[in-house]
Amino acid sequence: KAGVTQTPRYLIKTRGQQVTLSCSPISGHRSVSWYQQTPGQGLQFLFEYFSETQRNKGNFPGRFSGRQFSNSRSEMNVSTLELGDSALYLCASSLGGNKVIMNEQYFGPGTRLTVT
Amino acid sequence: DAKTTQPNSMESNEEEPVHLPCNHSTISGTDYIHWYRQLPSQGPEYVIHGLTSNVNNRMASLAIAEDRKSSTLILHRATLRDAAVYYCILRDIGGGADGLTFGKGTHLIIQP
Repeated sequence: KAGVTQTPRYLIKTRGQQVTLSCSPISGHRSVSWYQQTPGQGLQFLFEYFSETQRNKGNFPGRFSGRQFSNSRSEMNVSTLELGDSALYLCASSLGGNKVIMNEQYFGPGTRLTVT
Repeated sequence: DAKTTQPNSMESNEEEPVHLPCNHSTISGTDYIHWYRQLPSQGPEYVIHGLTSNVNNRMASLAIAEDRKSSTLILHRATLRDAAVYYCILRDIGGGADGLTFGKGTHLIIQP
């Protein structure tokens, strides 16, 4: 079974631009979560989508948004990029459903975003 | 999710057991204890989880204190490949959504 894939793997953008990152979950997984990892703040939860609906959200500004498609693939978008948005963006998929504590999350390799 | 406390770093020798502690004094009765680890240049990966009883799997063992205020992840025979940041995370059984709250974790260094 193929793992979680993220595209692109590396990205360089300029301040003020916007960016869209893509995540393809493991086949059969209906939940997709997004995380931001920086040296200073560590791993922080952005949001989670399940069956095309945002089910959980972390403490990030509205510039960070996402969506999920009917095939469970997900995209996240960051508008008006700031230097502080430079980070590794990780996507994780899980089966989803109500038994959350049994939902082992499988992470992708991440997208390294650099904002200049 | 309730807060956990872990040492910033630990060092061990290859082929020796490693005990990684985690304190979670404010754990509630509905919190499960999960461990994930992040190898260098990779996304985190699931290691193990438990509620009250000790748990074993092919990767590690999880020992949970009787009062559940602390737990220990045990790697029985560390290899160089086990060098990673280990995260102890509490997840509420009543939570209706995924989304992990990571702390700083423990940076495990394995000496050959």
